[in-house]
Amino acid sequence: AQSVSQHNHHVILSEAASLELGCNYSYGGTVNLFWYVQYPGQHLQLLLKYFSGDPLVKGIKGFEAEFIKSKFSFNLRKPSVQWSDTAEYFCAVNATNAGKSTFGDGTTLTVKP
Amino acid sequence: GAGVSQSPRYKVAKRGQDVALRCDPISGHVSLFWYQQALGQGPEFLTYFQNEAQLDKSGLPSDRFFAERPEGSVSTLKIQRTQQEDSAVYLCASSLGLAGLGDTQYFGPGTRLTVL
Repeated sequence: AQSVSQHNHHVILSEAASLELGCNYSYGGTVNLFWYVQYPGQHLQLLLKYFSGDPLVKGIKGFEAEFIKSKFSFNLRKPSVQWSDTAEYFCAVNATNAGKSTFGDGTTLTVKP
Repeated sequence: GAGVSQSPRYKVAKRGQDVALRCDPISGHVSLFWYQQALGQGPEFLTYFQNEAQLDKSGLPSDRFFAERPEGSVSTLKIQRTQQEDSAVYLCASSLGLAGLGDTQYFGPGTRLTVL
């Protein structure tokens, strides 16, 4: 069975601080990896994804994530956060060619102006 | 264009009642997914359709839960004899291609179900 662990439940940062949110997954086969974001009052939306190829992937709004296969990790980073990045962030994994996606419990990011 | 829509947005049911939740995916999207999100947790997979075929229903928590997508577009999630533990937000998502190939899933706003 696959599982996803997000290490931080709530992160509070000041504007311009750097961000790194941890995500580790458990699954023995080939996977697709995702970070989703939910801004206050809005739907879940895709931030970025890893499917194949370059393990460093870039997403919207200056976010990036690195897939480290040996560590089963897919950490999300942003060099300088903005107040508008305040949201809940979810890491998700799904096995290649499978329908089921497994999500972590999310990390709430609060950015203080 | 229009995104994924869900109705109703809020539903209050008395314990033991049956409920039906509707999902309208993005037109032309092959794959459709249902998730259950309890308070403070991430979405949990319930079931997946490829067109009208339900290919994975491993996440449905009991035989009180039933989903269908008879014409390969609109889907309905039905919960019979609701229990308090069914209270959650039910999310629907759709993607253009087949699941498991890295396609982006587009989520709807969810239906918040409260069982009293």
